[in-house]
Amino acid sequence: AQRVTQPEKLLSVFKGAPVELKCNYSYSGSPELFWYVQYSRQRLQLLLRHISRESIKGFTADLNKGETSFHLKKPFAQEEDSAMYYCALSGLLSSGSARQLTFGSGTQLTVLP
Amino acid sequence: DVKVTQSSRYLVKRTGEKVFLECVQDMDHENMFWYRQDPGLGLRLIYFSYDVKMKEKGDIPEGYSVSREKKERFSLILESASTNQTSMYLCASSSRWEGTEAFFGQGTRLTVV
Repeated sequence: AQRVTQPEKLLSVFKGAPVELKCNYSYSGSPELFWYVQYSRQRLQLLLRHISRESIKGFTADLNKGETSFHLKKPFAQEEDSAMYYCALSGLLSSGSARQLTFGSGTQLTVLP
Repeated sequence: DVKVTQSSRYLVKRTGEKVFLECVQDMDHENMFWYRQDPGLGLRLIYFSYDVKMKEKGDIPEGYSVSREKKERFSLILESASTNQTSMYLCASSSRWEGTEAFFGQGTRLTVV
């Protein structure tokens, strides 16, 4: 079974402050991890994926297999970063037939002026 | 421009009705997913499909079934709608390759009265 845990439902920071959204996972194989974002009244969309090791909109996330974590970080938060953020894990089924995409419960980030 | 389209934005149904939610994608993706999105619970996977006529149960399949007769279309069926199925339903699709992103529909807000 695969599981994604986001311990914070709500997170508020001031503009310009650093932000870290926590994500922990449980999966026996080699995981693929993602962060998705949903801005107000918009579709859920991909923010970044661990396999690309990229920085998108100033956000980065590092996969730590020892701690089974994939925390999302940004050094200086902006008001336009206010959104719902979901961590997701893609894991191969035991049958090997397909990959299941599992999401966490989400963190609502509010960046205050 | 990639597209995942859900047939209805809002639906109101009565308890006990059979309800069909339709999702169509135009990206020739192998994988399609149905989630429900509830505050505080995040996205929970109901069912997914990795090929025509192939399906896998997600984390909360009870009370739901699915149909995938054509590659581009994935239907979610509520056999006998109940008030606890009032929710936002999201459809997504992705290719079968590792590390690829999932694309989401705009969501269907279903209210069962």
